[in-house]
Amino acid sequence: EVQLVESGGGLIQPGGSLRLSCAASGFTVSSNYMSWVRQAPGKGLEWVSVIYAGGNTYYADSVKGRFTISRDNSKNTLYVQMNSLRAEDTAVYYCASNQNYDYGGMDVWGQGTTVTVSS
Amino acid sequence: EIVLTQSPATLSLSPGERATLSCRASQSVSSYLAWYQQKPGQAPRLLIYDASNRATGIPARFSGSGSGTDFTLTISSLEPEDFAVYYCQQRINWPLITFGQGTRLEIK
Repeated sequence: EVQLVESGGGLIQPGGSLRLSCAASGFTVSSNYMSWVRQAPGKGLEWVSVIYAGGNTYYADSVKGRFTISRDNSKNTLYVQMNSLRAEDTAVYYCASNQNYDYGGMDVWGQGTTVTVSS
Repeated sequence: EIVLTQSPATLSLSPGERATLSCRASQSVSSYLAWYQQKPGQAPRLLIYDASNRATGIPARFSGSGSGTDFTLTISSLEPEDFAVYYCQQRINWPLITFGQGTRLEIK
């Protein structure tokens, strides 16, 4: 079964750092586009970052320079390192994969992990 | 940045009725538009990709149409499980994708 499971969320003070993980099963993270998408409380979806199979990475302007996406192929796990966190980074963070439709859409999603940035 | 505007913000219908959801782009996105469904407390689910192609396992009552700047998601006959929030998403300048603000489909 294809599955993504996020972890690492929690309460963090402004300016702090947090690393989220997304463990994949049923497929390899290195063979697909892997993304992070977030959703602030009561709000819509916001794309955060993507890593290509070849290793290229891209970021939304709102997180560029503060967030770093990476993966560990040996652990089949995707990460996002979040530094200099702000209140506006408070959200549910989902990892997602383009499994079957190339660029067409993200068809595998994790259940999400909640990040709360507050003093 | 391409802005996607979804309308209406909220749509109130009864089971068995036809639902028509709109997504308008601030500039052409060709046919590079997807639709997602999200239920409370759940992750989004891909319904439609490239404007009109149903993802695997999506019932035939869901259909997508449009190109350029105007797109429509149609649910031909609403089932109780279809009441949710629906988002459109463009990928014309992949990987810098953007989502619409969502349409809430609620039971009348």
